Amino acid sequence: GAVVSQHPSRVICKSGTSVKIECRSLDFQATTMFWYRQFPKQSLMLMATSNEGSKATYEQGVEKDKFLINHASLTLSTLTVTSAHPEDSSFYICSARSIRDSYEQYFGPGTRLTVT
Amino acid sequence: GQNIDQPTEMTATEGAIVQINCTYQTSGFNGLFWYQQHAGEAPTFLSYNVLDGLEEKGRFSSFLSRSKGYSYLLLKELQMKDSASYLCAVLDSNYQLIWGAGTKLIIKP
Repeated sequence: GAVVSQHPSRVICKSGTSVKIECRSLDFQATTMFWYRQFPKQSLMLMATSNEGSKATYEQGVEKDKFLINHASLTLSTLTVTSAHPEDSSFYICSARSIRDSYEQYFGPGTRLTVT
Repeated sequence: GQNIDQPTEMTATEGAIVQINCTYQTSGFNGLFWYQQHAGEAPTFLSYNVLDGLEEKGRFSSFLSRSKGYSYLLLKELQMKDSASYLCAVLDSNYQLIWGAGTKLIIKP
């Protein structure tokens, strides 16, 4: 149980285009989903926290107009990187917190974004 | 501010035991997690401690001392596949995870 999927697992896009990443909780309902970014050899950096049906809370320094987050249902959150640039190339990981648990986060497998 | 410290890198020998320490200073405490992360993959859950003491799970054990703001992850009978980064994370008073930078563990034959 507690499986989180992400799609796509890998994406290459051209500079200036937008990319959408989906995060789904497959066998549980997620009250809260988290989006992280990780650059090579660095730890996870929380980008934003989203609760179903409400606006995401962005961490300091993360541009909300560039990284659009939608949490339309208890099982789906999306992150759209708008007008992507090469410096947005990174490993994006989502996690979800179950309605049942107040503490554990279940991680998706991650999405490797490369902007050329 | 909130702070979690763990060593950047450790090296150990296959079959041996290694202890990875983590100290923390956070606003509130609702538990401490250890995650394992292989290169290019997402973190996977190893353990969760909210009370003082040692939790054992197979080859891995995790210890917590809340009064000292200290935890360690103990890995026994090391295998080559244990080469990974180990992330310490604390759940603060808002139930947000505060992450350490991770400890890269290198296992040598």
